[in-house]
Amino acid sequence: QKEVEQNSGPLSVPEGAIASLNCTYSDRGSQSFFWYRQYSGKSPELIMFIYSNGDKEDGRFTAQLNKASQYVSLLIRDSQPSDSATYLCAAGDPGRRALTFGSGTRLQVQP
Amino acid sequence: DAGVIQSPRHEVTEMGQEVTLRCKPISGHDYLFWYRQTMMRGLELLIYFNNNVPIDDSGMPEDRFSAKMPNASFSTLKIQPSEPRDSAVYFCASTPGGRGYEQYFGPGTRLTVT
Repeated sequence: QKEVEQNSGPLSVPEGAIASLNCTYSDRGSQSFFWYRQYSGKSPELIMFIYSNGDKEDGRFTAQLNKASQYVSLLIRDSQPSDSATYLCAAGDPGRRALTFGSGTRLQVQP
Repeated sequence: DAGVIQSPRHEVTEMGQEVTLRCKPISGHDYLFWYRQTMMRGLELLIYFNNNVPIDDSGMPEDRFSAKMPNASFSTLKIQPSEPRDSAVYFCASTPGGRGYEQYFGPGTRLTVT
């Protein structure tokens, strides 16, 4: 069974700090990885995707991928209270054109 | 673009009734996905279509659930008869196809079966 694992949290960080969210995946064949943000009562919103080993930066967000360790992370710099949400990690299923989602990590940014 | 559109946004029905959820994907997207989200089970893929053809329905929980995509701009998910355990938020998502896997979600339908 293909799995994506995340710590459910909550992860609490002070405003202005770096939030680090982590995810591991079981399928070595996965080639694409995604981070979604989901506010309470809303739908998942795509914030980053990464296909290659290393770092990918977009504004305050940096996605990191290590395929050898089957590990994906999301760093949020200068965290704001508006970043408080659940962050879902997803891995692409190469055989099915589908995504396998983790259960999400709840982030709380304290003002 | 308007994004993925779903209707209704909220649905409350009694056990045994038929429920139909609707989705309009982003124009030009080749893939459409139906998900269900609950606190206990998280986000579960139910079924997905490519160019209006169902590709994988292995996530459909049982025969009470059915999905159709009669054209590129419309899909339905039907539950008949509905049961209280079907209460969840149902999301539709679409993907442009090609090499990209990124999915864009609609606002969801919150279903409550009493």
